[in-house]
Order: sequence, then structure tokens, then C-alpha cells
Amino acid sequence: NAGVTQTPKFRVLKTGQSMTLLCAQDMNHEYMYWYRQDPGMGLRLIHYSVGEGTTAKGEVPDGYNVSRLKKQNFLLGLESAAPSQTSVYFCASSYSTGDYSNQPQHFGDGTRLSIL
Amino acid sequence: DQQVKQNSPSLSVQEGRISILNCDYTNSMFDYFLWYKKYPAEGPTFLISISSIKDKNEDGRFTVFLNKSAKHLSLHIVPSQPGDSAVYFCAASDAGGTSYGKLTFGQGTILTVHP
Repeated sequence: NAGVTQTPKFRVLKTGQSMTLLCAQDMNHEYMYWYRQDPGMGLRLIHYSVGEGTTAKGEVPDGYNVSRLKKQNFLLGLESAAPSQTSVYFCASSYSTGDYSNQPQHFGDGTRLSIL
Repeated sequence: DQQVKQNSPSLSVQEGRISILNCDYTNSMFDYFLWYKKYPAEGPTFLISISSIKDKNEDGRFTVFLNKSAKHLSLHIVPSQPGDSAVYFCAASDAGGTSYGKLTFGQGTILTVHP
């Protein structure tokens, strides 16, 4: 059981380049999330999705776009990368029961992205 | 505005002793709290959670305490083991219908357990 898989694991980009980070989950979770982790700031929510075909903004959405065309996949795009987007990106997923307090988020192992 | 704060960046404990990690929050709408553990080059893994209707939740060596009036929670690890050395994140959520499980994380505390 793979859980949440993120690709790629590492990437170096030049300023202005674009790229897409892929997140795939095999747990049939409805909810999916993208976070970024920066030193001293914990994890901050970028965008999230509550089901196939839906997306919504989180705390720090600027400079990112997302798509959820299939239930198991959640893509994070950087159209024009900037050095401020150098970070570790984590994808997570969870069930969508009414009482989600019993459904913690499951995380992938992250993508380390450096933008020069 | 940091709504969830872990004011201790690091904690060092001897093996076998108790580790106490603290977390404070400011948003009174938060009513579900979680602790995640993170090893280097891995994603956070869920450790333990507590709902605001409780003040304590135990799972083996791990106990989380919640003081709603003080907006404070703590994670106790007893006894601490070298394998517990990791970064611990506190997270909070509003269980309201439109929050969709979104989590607000603290900055993390690096726990080091010495043999």
C-alpha cells in the first residue's frame, strides 16, 4: 500500500521556469491538500480539494495553480517560478466523513524544490 | 499572525525520562488538535489527536493534554526513547462544516533523546 506518493522528490529550476508537482493517493480519499514547509514556519496550506473537479485556495495560494481531474491525483503547478518558492512541498489526503476529527491527514514524503 | 505556536524550537531529553512538548493557539474556533512526528526526508506522520470535548487522550507512551481555557496543549512522551528523536508539529482545525479538515500548523519542535 503506497499511501501518498509525490513526484519528483527533488528539482532545481531557474527563475521563470514552470513545472508541475504530482501527488497520487491510493486510499480513495476525497480530500487532498498541498502544503509548503519553510524553516521556522511549519507547514502552510497552499491549495486544497474536497473532491474530483474541485479546488480552493489555502493560506498562501499566490503563484500556484492546482487541478484535480481524477480523484486519486492532485497536481500543483508553478507557472513562473520565483526564488521565494524555494521550499519543501508536501501533499496530504484524508477521508471526508462528517466527523473528520477521526480522519487525520496522511502525508507524502515531500518534494524539495530549489529555484535559482 | 501565527494562530498555532510552538515556542520551543528544540528540546533535549535523556532516554527513559519524560518529554513534554508544548503548543499554544489563539483561534477560539479550533476544536480538534493533532500532533505529527516528522523524520528527516520523510513526510509528517500522525501521532495522536484530541477533540475539544476531552482534556486528555492517551495512546501507549504518548498522552496529549488540552487546556481550553488557556488555549494550550501539550504532548507527553513517557518513557522517551532515542527513536523518538524527530520534529514534532502541533496542528489545529476547526471542525465546522466548511473547514474541510484544513490544518493550521505550529513551527515545530526538534526533540532529541540522548541514550
